[in-house]
Formats: sequence, structure tokens, C-alpha cells
Amino acid sequence: GAGVSQTPSNKVTEKGKYVELRCDPISGHTALYWYRQSLGQGPEFLIYFQGTGAADDSGLPNDRFFAVRPEGSVSTLKIQRTERGDSAVYLCASSPGGAGSAGNEQFFGPGTRLTVL
Amino acid sequence: GQSLEQPSEVTAVEGAIVQINCTYQTSGFYGLSWYQQHDGGAPTFLSYNALDGLEETGRFSSFLSRSDSYGYLLLQELQMKDSASYFCAVRDNYGQNFVFGPGTRLSVLP
Repeated sequence: GAGVSQTPSNKVTEKGKYVELRCDPISGHTALYWYRQSLGQGPEFLIYFQGTGAADDSGLPNDRFFAVRPEGSVSTLKIQRTERGDSAVYLCASSPGGAGSAGNEQFFGPGTRLTVL
Repeated sequence: GQSLEQPSEVTAVEGAIVQINCTYQTSGFYGLSWYQQHDGGAPTFLSYNALDGLEETGRFSSFLSRSDSYGYLLLQELQMKDSASYFCAVRDNYGQNFVFGPGTRLSVLP
């Protein structure tokens, strides 16, 4: 099936290193979201893309976090100088956009589990 | 600030009906969604309410009262496979982002 895919599924890195997390949304979905989720908590919004532009990046915790979606499809979340507190599952979701239930349904990928040692 | 409140845990038996409540305080409101997440899995969409009232989809129904900043998810004819965490989420900030609640862990007992 052509669902949302994320790579890698697991990433272990050392404190201070740089990491990139990739998201392939469902073809044709204009809206793309990044979240992070810690154990026992709900997804925490990071950034929302509508097409190629970041429509809302208010959830990015600090300037170590950055995300791009240059062609309006694949997106990459970049984390510089990783810290142990960045350890979490990073989820990507895409949506057709628009109004109503169909436009607001988000399709989530399986996530990338990031562990910072 | 933005906050959503849900009960942390709910337990029920197979075949029963359970209601999971969600209250919210957000700077803007464009709709309330519900997601199900099994352990180790990704959230999956259940429902979306933009207007007051009840939306029914099979065994699941979702209700919204915008004047009370309140909604609930109703699960009927519970099955063991319904054991999961359930999250409410508000579309906020002029429809630009989603704020998720802390989640309710539902355990369905035989």
C-alpha cells in the first residue's frame, strides 16, 4: 500500500551529533506534519507544511531543529547538536488538506525512534 | 495557553459501552479529532467534528459541544482489539496545527 513511510525506523546517535529523519507522504497529499512523541504522552506538534512552505513552525523547540520540504513531497527533519532530551519517536503525518473530515484526516507513518546516548 | 484534558485510564469489559471525555482550552478552534494508537503503532484516525452534535461511524461515535469546549468518543460493543490509547486533538491556530491531548489508555477485559 502507498501509506506514509519514514526512514530510518530506528536511529541511535551520540550527544552532539547531527541527524536527519525522512518522511515520504502519501502521493498527492499537500499537508505534511511532524510530531514527536514520548512514552505515555500524546504527539507533540513540531511543524506543518502546506506544499513546499512551512505554514506553522511554532512547535519546533529551538533552533537546533529544522525541517524542509523542497518539492512539496518528501520532507526531512534535521536536528543539530542532538541532546539526550531529544530522544523520542518522531512521527510524520500527511493529509489531503481542505475542509471537513476527509481534509482533516491525518495519515501517520510508523515513526522514527531516535535515541541519543 | 493550549491544553486538552482526558482521563488517563479507562477499563471496561467486552461488549460494554465506554465514553472517553475531552475538554480543551485553545487559542483557536477549528475542529476536534480522535485517534487510536495501539502499543508500538502509529496513531490512526477515527473521527473529526467541526460542528456541534454527534457523528456516528460504525461502533464509534464522537460528540462535540463548542460552547462547553467539550467532546467525547463513544465506543460500543467493545472488543478486545479496542484496547489501545485514544487521543483527542484540536485543530488550532487558525487551522495551522493540531494540539493532541495526553491520551486515555483503554483496557478491555474478557
